[in-house]
Amino acid sequence: DAGVTQSPTHLIKTRGQQVTLRCSPKSGHDTVSWYQQALGQGPQFIFQYYEEEERQRGNFPDRFSGHQFPNYSSELNVNALLLGDSALYLCASSPTDRPNYGYTFGSGTRLTVV
Amino acid sequence: GEDVEQSLFLSVREGDSSVINCTYTDSSSTYLYWYKQEPGAGLQLLTYIFSNMDMKQDQRLTVLLNKKDKHLSLRIADTQTGDSAIYFCAYGSSNTGKLIFGQGTTLQVKP
Repeated sequence: DAGVTQSPTHLIKTRGQQVTLRCSPKSGHDTVSWYQQALGQGPQFIFQYYEEEERQRGNFPDRFSGHQFPNYSSELNVNALLLGDSALYLCASSPTDRPNYGYTFGSGTRLTVV
Repeated sequence: GEDVEQSLFLSVREGDSSVINCTYTDSSSTYLYWYKQEPGAGLQLLTYIFSNMDMKQDQRLTVLLNKKDKHLSLRIADTQTGDSAIYFCAYGSSNTGKLIFGQGTTLQVKP
């Protein structure tokens, strides 16, 4: 049973560019959340998608946007990249009927902005 | 407000018990979690506890919750070198879909 898969694993971008990160949730999970983990910090909630709609959003600017597809997979888009966007981006999935029994996290995408 | 505090570093000898502590501020938190992160990896859910519980035991792991003091602890019995990692405390609310994480405690296990 594949868990949460994220691609790519590593990415280097230049300031001002745009980036798209991808996530496939665990089988049976229909809710996807995205987190940003800066070096030495805990993950920070970006937003959550369910039924192809953004259900909740954390304290991140509009440069961060997302999408969920009918197969529950999701994308995170970041426009006008800043050096401070360098971080590990984690995707987490959960089943809607049991969301609080713990989210399953992927291994993340390491984004470096130069 | 939303805040979770953890001590940054803990060092123990192999075979000893480890206790990692966490305090949180949100009184509406309903579910509390411990996650483990190994170098270069994502987060692995270790265990969780509901706010109406005081204690939960799962093999070598014991979670204690003091809701009055908003204090959560994770005890690892017979700590092994493979337990070396960063441990994150997190909480969620039944009203929201997000988890609030602490900054993590690095556990170093010496042989």
